[in-house]
Amino acid sequence: GNSVTQMEGPVTLSEEAFLTINCTYTATGYPSLFWYVQYPGEGLQLLLKATKADDKGSNKGFEATYRKETTSFHLEKGSVQVSDSAVYFCALSEGFQKLVFGTGTRLLVSP
Amino acid sequence: EAQVTQNPRYLITVTGKKLTVTCSQNMNHEYMSWYRQDPGLGLRQIYYSMNVEVTDKGDVPEGYKVSRKEKRNFPLILESPSPNQTSLYFCASSSWGQGVNTEAFFGQGTRLTVV
Repeated sequence: GNSVTQMEGPVTLSEEAFLTINCTYTATGYPSLFWYVQYPGEGLQLLLKATKADDKGSNKGFEATYRKETTSFHLEKGSVQVSDSAVYFCALSEGFQKLVFGTGTRLLVSP
Repeated sequence: EAQVTQNPRYLITVTGKKLTVTCSQNMNHEYMSWYRQDPGLGLRQIYYSMNVEVTDKGDVPEGYKVSRKEKRNFPLILESPSPNQTSLYFCASSSWGQGVNTEAFFGQGTRLTVV
């Protein structure tokens, strides 16, 4: 079946550091890829998405590129802020009705 | 404001005592689903619904029931809860057409503890 693998956390960074969270996937067909973010005590929110190979999703300074050749969708941000501290989930779509999630990566940003 | 509302947010119950977690969305979405979130496992789909009176099993449906009598509501029912159902539960909705391929909107979660 389809699956998503994310790097283990927590990822601990100082403010203004560069962020990379790795995500690779296994899928049949051509799923859409997503990054969802979960702030403490809240539900998940869509951060960015890409629907086909070589698409780049971007939002709030975060970026990720759909790489079909390496089956990857790594999340990057050039300069993190304390307010970016959260859990980040990589996911792919399975049809119209289901998201397959990775295990999540906790990001901790210190001042 | 577009939102998915779950109740209760926190619940502690005893083994075998039936409970219902409610979910309501105000976006007129056709798709709704339930996920559970467990450490090291991410989120896994329990049940989903493509429209009123249309529901189907996800990856981990054992021990759960759902119903979709109205478009806006999608309650999750645990007829006889057991400790292995202790988890964080999320309801999600998305629109027709591309469904989750556009965006899924999540509720704030229900933390359930079964003792």
